[in-house]
Amino acid sequence: AQSVTQPDIHITVSEGASLELRCNYSYGATPYLFWYVQSPGQGLQLLLKYFSGDTLVQGIKGFEAEFKRSQSSFNLRKPSVHWSDAAEYFCAVGPNNAGNMLTFGGGTRLMVKP
Amino acid sequence: EPEVTQTPSHQVTQMGQEVILRCVPISNHLYFYWYRQILGQKVEFLVSFYNNEISEKSEIFDDQFSVERPDGSNFTLKIRSTKLEDSAMYFCASSVGTPQYFGPGTRLLVL
Repeated sequence: AQSVTQPDIHITVSEGASLELRCNYSYGATPYLFWYVQSPGQGLQLLLKYFSGDTLVQGIKGFEAEFKRSQSSFNLRKPSVHWSDAAEYFCAVGPNNAGNMLTFGGGTRLMVKP
Repeated sequence: EPEVTQTPSHQVTQMGQEVILRCVPISNHLYFYWYRQILGQKVEFLVSFYNNEISEKSEIFDDQFSVERPDGSNFTLKIRSTKLEDSAMYFCASSVGTPQYFGPGTRLLVL
């Protein structure tokens, strides 16, 4: 069965500091991997996705993520955090075909100190 | 930029009542989904829908749930007889293939 683990429930960083949110997955085949962000009162916005090819993928809002097959990880990074990045971040995994379920991690809530 | 929309944003209902949650997927999308997130828990898959039929469903999606695409634009989730444990945020999503794009959610509270 597929599963996603986000080990950090809460993370607090200072504005301007770098950020790394961890995501580990368990999946039997080649996965599609995603990061979504949920701001307060908002839906889930897609930040970036990995399907194949270059293991470092770029997303919106200056985020990037690196797929490491050997570690079953897909960590999200940002070099310099802005106060507006405070939100909850979800990693998700799915099969490489359409119409099938995504499995989400428990989420990491990011707080940004001024 | 096209978005998935959902109505209502909030709904309060009494236990045992029927509720219908509505979604308007992105217009050229072919696959439609419902997920839910109970407060403090993970986002969970309920059902996916393609070509006017269910393509996949989870254990959560039992006989009290149903989905329908009543016309060319709406996609609905019906909960026939709501239970207290159905209180959650319900997200609709749509896709051409992958990835899935999510709406803002409907917060359902069952009293």
